[in-house]
Amino acid sequence: SQQGEEDPQALSIQEGENATMNCSYKTSINNLQWYRQNSGRGLVHLILIRSNEREKHSGRLRVTLDTSKKSSSLLITASRAADTASYFCATQDSNYQLIWGAGTKLIIKP
Amino acid sequence: DADVTQTPRNRITKTGKRIMLECSQTKGHDRMYWYRQDPGLGLRLIYYSFDVKDINKGEISDGYSVSRQAQAKFSLSLESAIPNQTALYFCATSGRERQFFGPGTRLTVL
Repeated sequence: SQQGEEDPQALSIQEGENATMNCSYKTSINNLQWYRQNSGRGLVHLILIRSNEREKHSGRLRVTLDTSKKSSSLLITASRAADTASYFCATQDSNYQLIWGAGTKLIIKP
Repeated sequence: DADVTQTPRNRITKTGKRIMLECSQTKGHDRMYWYRQDPGLGLRLIYYSFDVKDINKGEISDGYSVSRQAQAKFSLSLESAIPNQTALYFCATSGRERQFFGPGTRLTVL
């Protein structure tokens, strides 16, 4: 069964705006990871945040983690058309397996 | 060259046929995974292998089998394909944390 849920399921914004998507999970984790999937293609790792970290940045990406609420958010700033994709969060437990959310489909309108 | 390759990329087959999907990786990782993805859903783990002699069932292993021929090769078989196995199949490999994905195999069972 899937670990958590992502919110929203779909998001459509204008190019240049910021996009925020959220992920909730149910059990204890070692880390939480975000991946991007362009239509029908393989997933690409974006960023990893460990359970003892609260915030992490990578370029235009900002990830936060709140272990007390079992939730994470991914912020993409100054969105571009190339950011159009589905974004998935995945939590890793002590067995090193990843458990996936259902994803957020992001559309950037020109 | 891609780190993780999958063959075939697309396959249409009939109910009852045996199908094998192949995966090779050049990352030098011990861990390999097979996932399936259905529309609107995240990834579900079929089988995983932490080394050549270690094979484990995932969330949805019924109707599937795997073979780990070498550190770099991990194949997935559908012994007798059925229409609800129509999906996008991904192979992945990892060290201890982030996973690297192949481009996927789109399988249609008629």
